[in-house]
Amino acid sequence: QVQMVQSGAEVKKPGASVKVSCKASGYTFTNYGISWVRQAPGQGLEWMGWISAYNGDTNYAQNLQGRVTMTTDTSTSTGYMELRSLRSDDTAVYYCARDDSGLSYFDSWGQGALVTVS
Amino acid sequence: EIVLTQSPATLSLSPGERATLSCRASQRVGTHLAWYQQKPGQAPRLLIYDASSRATGIPARFSGSGSGTDFTLTISSLEPEDFAVYYCQQRSNWPPTFGQGTKVEIK
Repeated sequence: QVQMVQSGAEVKKPGASVKVSCKASGYTFTNYGISWVRQAPGQGLEWMGWISAYNGDTNYAQNLQGRVTMTTDTSTSTGYMELRSLRSDDTAVYYCARDDSGLSYFDSWGQGALVTVS
Repeated sequence: EIVLTQSPATLSLSPGERATLSCRASQRVGTHLAWYQQKPGQAPRLLIYDASSRATGIPARFSGSGSGTDFTLTISSLEPEDFAVYYCQQRSNWPPTFGQGTKVEIK
């Protein structure tokens, strides 16, 4: 079955960077992409961007352009999301989700990784 | 970007009752709309896609309807495990966007 397993919780200081990983299994990694979605404490869901695992194409949310980079490693079926210049309002649970096009539905999700900026 | 507005913010119901949740889009999205369920401490789970198709393994008590700008998620008879937060999401126009959520709580 499809599984997406994320790295663990992180605590970072303002101005630092964080890199969250998402290891996929149970499907052909390069047939899909990965979207990243975050959720601030007690808040709703915010789409951050998408990367194609086939060719590395990316689409980032406008409000994160310049601070976020998404990459994949096809040899390990792992996606990565790096967020730089962290601020307190970046404190959130970060989810990866399988996404075939960057404008799709999200049928499989990682368990989430809490990033605390303090 | 397309704004999705969900109502009500909170729905207080008893097990066995019918739940009707609404999602309104700021622009027409055709039927490119999904519904997700999220329980505390868990990732969202896809329930409905393309406005009315149930995802794999989703019980028949969950149904979706609507097109254009107005959509509805109906839970025909609430089970104890259905008390959660529900989000709608559109994939008609980039970027994909979510509604702010409806919490279904036990009355």
